[in-house]
Amino acid sequence: DTEVTQTPKHLVMGMTNKKSLKCEQHMGHRAMYWYKQKAKKPPELMFVYSYEKLSINESVPSRFSPECPNSSLLNLHLHALQPEDSALYLCASSLLQGPGSGANVLTFGAGSRLTVL
Amino acid sequence: GESVGLHLPTLSVQEGDNSIINCAYSNSASDYFIWYKQESGKGPQFIIDIRSNMDKRQGQRVTVLLNKTVKHLSLQIAATQPGDSAVYFCAENSFLRSNTDKLIFGTGTRLQVFP
Repeated sequence: DTEVTQTPKHLVMGMTNKKSLKCEQHMGHRAMYWYKQKAKKPPELMFVYSYEKLSINESVPSRFSPECPNSSLLNLHLHALQPEDSALYLCASSLLQGPGSGANVLTFGAGSRLTVL
Repeated sequence: GESVGLHLPTLSVQEGDNSIINCAYSNSASDYFIWYKQESGKGPQFIIDIRSNMDKRQGQRVTVLLNKTVKHLSLQIAATQPGDSAVYFCAENSFLRSNTDKLIFGTGTRLQVFP
């Protein structure tokens, strides 16, 4: 299995809703990532988990809450979002090869397209 | 701040021609670079990578060139095909002391291939 699977593919939610995005990989990767991508823009890093611990939070608002239940799963919990949070949310994973390797390739999922009304 | 960016937002080429997509980076400490291709409705797909101790790397129909002196990266696609139409991103990877990879994307170039 060489894929990163994201569900749902599309999600529409109101500003008062609570929803979650899910990501799964079975490649034995020990790092997992959330990126946000607006139309015609590059992906922007949100969170990184390394060995199931949160290692990077790029000053993301608390209405986005990541969770890494185990090494294969990554969730992004959404609560009280704003219309400007509408975007494509990309999950990725990589095989951490240790300091100095610099050769870790991120494998991306197809993304979850979120619309906040 | 540090940034990874592209010179051309859109590149139009005829099928069969060679394509060159450019990228400038500003962090002189960057030591690893990756090119990704993103087709409409899909996530970024790895194309080719290069480490800072190299100046050229070749793959199937693609070549990446790295010029550390002027902090410039390019992706060359030989015999461009309609299936190459996509947005291409260069990205810079940093391995942090927290034992974490941090991948930052450049602004992207849209490649349009005409028959």
